[in-house]
Amino acid sequence: EDQVTQSPEALRLQEGESSSLNCSYTVSGLRGLFWYRQDPGKGPEFLFTLYSAGEEKEKERLKATLTKKESFLHITAPKPEDSATYLCAVQATGGGNKLTFGTGTQLKVEL
Amino acid sequence: NAGVTQTPKFQVLKTGQSMTLQCAQDMNHEYMSWYRQDPGMGLRLIHYSVGAGITDQGEVPNGYNVSRSTTEDFPLRLLSAAPSQTSVYFCASSPRDLYGYTFGSGTRLTVV
Repeated sequence: EDQVTQSPEALRLQEGESSSLNCSYTVSGLRGLFWYRQDPGKGPEFLFTLYSAGEEKEKERLKATLTKKESFLHITAPKPEDSATYLCAVQATGGGNKLTFGTGTQLKVEL
Repeated sequence: NAGVTQTPKFQVLKTGQSMTLQCAQDMNHEYMSWYRQDPGMGLRLIHYSVGAGITDQGEVPNGYNVSRSTTEDFPLRLLSAAPSQTSVYFCASSPRDLYGYTFGSGTRLTVV
């Protein structure tokens, strides 16, 4: 059974204080790993797709990396508007179009 | 370009009632999915479709039906609502396999 575990569950940062969120996964074969951002009361917003170990993608203050067992979402010099829940999901071989999601990391960035 | 539109935004049902959650997208996406989100459990796939006329079950399909007669619409039917179906439901669409999904804003359903 595919599993996705995200840590920490919650993270509080000061503005400008860089940190990383972790997503560890167990799948039979990874086809893709996805990062989403979710604001309260809204649907998830797609950020990145990573396909193979060693791959990295960046968008503004966010950088996602992938290894064979986990992915990291690095947040550099965060701002209060980066506050949200960050979700990780995997798509595995043999699973069709199914995404398995983690429970998310709730990030709060304070002034 | 509205993206993914879900209606209604809020709904209260009595146990045993049936209803349809509507989902429409205007991006000509082939792939569409329904997820439910419960506290502490993450998003779980209910049903998905890879094109008009093609649907398949996800992780938690019991108590739900879907059909896909057009590319644009993917309604989710609750056959006989139960309190365990109290949740936030999200519809999502994607243009192809292994591509990021665009999610709707959700339907918050309470079954009493």
